[in-house]
Amino acid sequence: NAGVMQNPRHLVRRRGQEARLRCSPMKGHSHVYWYRQLPEEGLKFMVYLQKENIIDESGMPKERFSAEFPKEGPSILRIQQVVRGDSAAYFCASSPPMGVEAKNIQYFGAGTRLSVL
Amino acid sequence: GENVEQHPSTLSVQEGDSAVIKCTYSDSASNYFPWYKQELGKRPQLIIDIRSNVGEKKDQRIAVTLNKTAKHFSLHITETQPEDSAVYFCAASQVFIGANNLFFGTGTRLTVIP
Repeated sequence: NAGVMQNPRHLVRRRGQEARLRCSPMKGHSHVYWYRQLPEEGLKFMVYLQKENIIDESGMPKERFSAEFPKEGPSILRIQQVVRGDSAAYFCASSPPMGVEAKNIQYFGAGTRLSVL
Repeated sequence: GENVEQHPSTLSVQEGDSAVIKCTYSDSASNYFPWYKQELGKRPQLIIDIRSNVGEKKDQRIAVTLNKTAKHFSLHITETQPEDSAVYFCAASQVFIGANNLFFGTGTRLTVIP
């Protein structure tokens, strides 16, 4: 099991460009979460998706940010018209369907470090 | 929404000593509390977790305690080693269908001095 795969690991964009971050969950996992981590800070929840559905996007900025998890392929976090304040590490996590222990063990990818010039 | 506070923000201990990190949460509906370790530039890795129906859980040198009444939980690391140096995050979650996102504390930077 390859684990949660994120790409690219590093992404540099100029202000006004678009950033696309990809996340492939662990095999057998159908739940994907995106978190943002600013330097020297904790992780902030952005969005929770299942296949073809956004379950909770309460942490997503209202504008410029969108996420999807299509039936086929990775989950995508898209940031349009990036600004310097978008510079951060973006982590994706995945979890399996809820089991008998009713836990929500989330496994994290290595993150994408976005730098906006 | 849930608010998780974590203390201290930095902690230095001598190798072999114990380290304790404390977190409080605000939403009494939270019922799952994982702890993650993050080394510099790396992904957060789950080291231990506890559900609200349990008061304490131990895994070798790591233990977690939970006080539901007071809404706080703690991470205890005994016999610390230099490789324990990292940033540790606590988190809280309401585990049920439709609301599983984790609310993280702000992290504790642990330094174990050889």
